[in-house]
Amino acid sequence: GDSVTQMEGPVTLSEEAFLTINCTYTATGYPSLFWYVQYPGEGLQLLLKATKADDKGSNKGFEATYRKETTSFHLEKGSVQVSDSAVYFCALSTGGGNKLTFGTGTQLKVEL
Amino acid sequence: GAVVSQHPSRVICKSGTSVKIECRSLDFQATTMFWYRQFPKKSLMLMATSNEGSKATYEQGVEKDKFLINHASLTLSTLTVTSAHPEDSSFYICSGAGLTSYEQYFGPGTRLTVT
Repeated sequence: GDSVTQMEGPVTLSEEAFLTINCTYTATGYPSLFWYVQYPGEGLQLLLKATKADDKGSNKGFEATYRKETTSFHLEKGSVQVSDSAVYFCALSTGGGNKLTFGTGTQLKVEL
Repeated sequence: GAVVSQHPSRVICKSGTSVKIECRSLDFQATTMFWYRQFPKKSLMLMATSNEGSKATYEQGVEKDKFLINHASLTLSTLTVTSAHPEDSSFYICSGAGLTSYEQYFGPGTRLTVT
């Protein structure tokens, strides 16, 4: 079946540091890939997505590139801020429907 | 983005009782709603998918008679945990999706503790 593997957290960084959160997947067919973010006390929000190989999703300074050859969708940001502290979930969807398969989430803590 | 609310945000109940959790889409019509369960340090596990006016489709291993889902309107879905037991203690999250969008909008979750 489909699955998503993310690096375990928590990840603690200083402000303005470079961020990478690794995500790899296994799926039948050609999945769409997503990153969701959950700020404390709030619901998950879609951060970015990519629907086909080599697509790059980007939003709020975050980027992720759909790499079919390595089945990866790593999240990156060049300079993190304290306000980026949250839990980040990688997810995929196959079959054209809305059904999502999530990774375990990675908590990011950004300190001054 | 679209807003989904859940009520209550946290609930404590005694073993053997039933608990109802509400999920509302506040500014859009959710033709499909999803219910997830999240264990500590685990991913969100999809429990069931419901379309307005239809019976819910449950994932393998989820007891439909224990987790009753009702999606009677385009803005409200409810999850009732019947005869709750301590092992049902978890974080329950709902999401909604509109007819023309595959994007899901998530509620903030409900923490259920069964004593």
